[in-house]
Amino acid sequence: KAGVTQTPRYLIKTRGQQVTLSCSPISGHRSVSWYQQTPGQGLQFLFEYFSETQRNKGNFPGRFSGRQFSNSRSEMNVSTLELGDSALYLCASSPLPGSTYNEQFFGPGTRLTVL
Amino acid sequence: GQQVMQIPQYQHVQEGEDFTTYCNSSTTLSNIQWYKQRPGGHPVFLIQLVKSGEVKKQKRLTFQFGEAKKNSSLHITATQTTDVGTYFCAIGDRYNQGGKLIFGQGTELSVKP
Repeated sequence: KAGVTQTPRYLIKTRGQQVTLSCSPISGHRSVSWYQQTPGQGLQFLFEYFSETQRNKGNFPGRFSGRQFSNSRSEMNVSTLELGDSALYLCASSPLPGSTYNEQFFGPGTRLTVL
Repeated sequence: GQQVMQIPQYQHVQEGEDFTTYCNSSTTLSNIQWYKQRPGGHPVFLIQLVKSGEVKKQKRLTFQFGEAKKNSSLHITATQTTDVGTYFCAIGDRYNQGGKLIFGQGTELSVKP
């Protein structure tokens, strides 16, 4: 089975712009979670989607949003980019919802740099 | 919010030495997961512990869950250069019905050959 794929792998944007990141989960996985990883804050949960519904949301401002499509693919959007949004954005999938109890399969991430 | 403290932040060892990382929570946990992230890579699931006092082994890796289910450890015996990376523990946020993983800060392991 192919693993979790994320596109693009690298992205450079300027402050004020918006960005959309894409994640394709492992075939058959219906749960997708997003995480932000920075050297200072570590790995932080953004949101979790299952069957096109957002089940959980982390403590991020409303500039961070996401959605999931009927084929389980997910996108996350960050509007009005700030320098502090520079990070590695990781997507993780699992067959079932509830990331606490299920092994999370992470994708390679999208490295976002905001200038 | 709920937190999990992980120590040490860094560990430098000579190849062949042992390594241990610890995670501690102030609240009782339902379970705990461990992940490894190689430099430049992404987190990879290692194991999940659920039962009080549980001990699980994967070759040279030994995982323990405390009797009170408030702490956990990962021990690597006779480290190898392939063990290099950052090891994270992760717990569930009790206020989000199991849908939100909270990661420890990680322990970065470097192994000198």
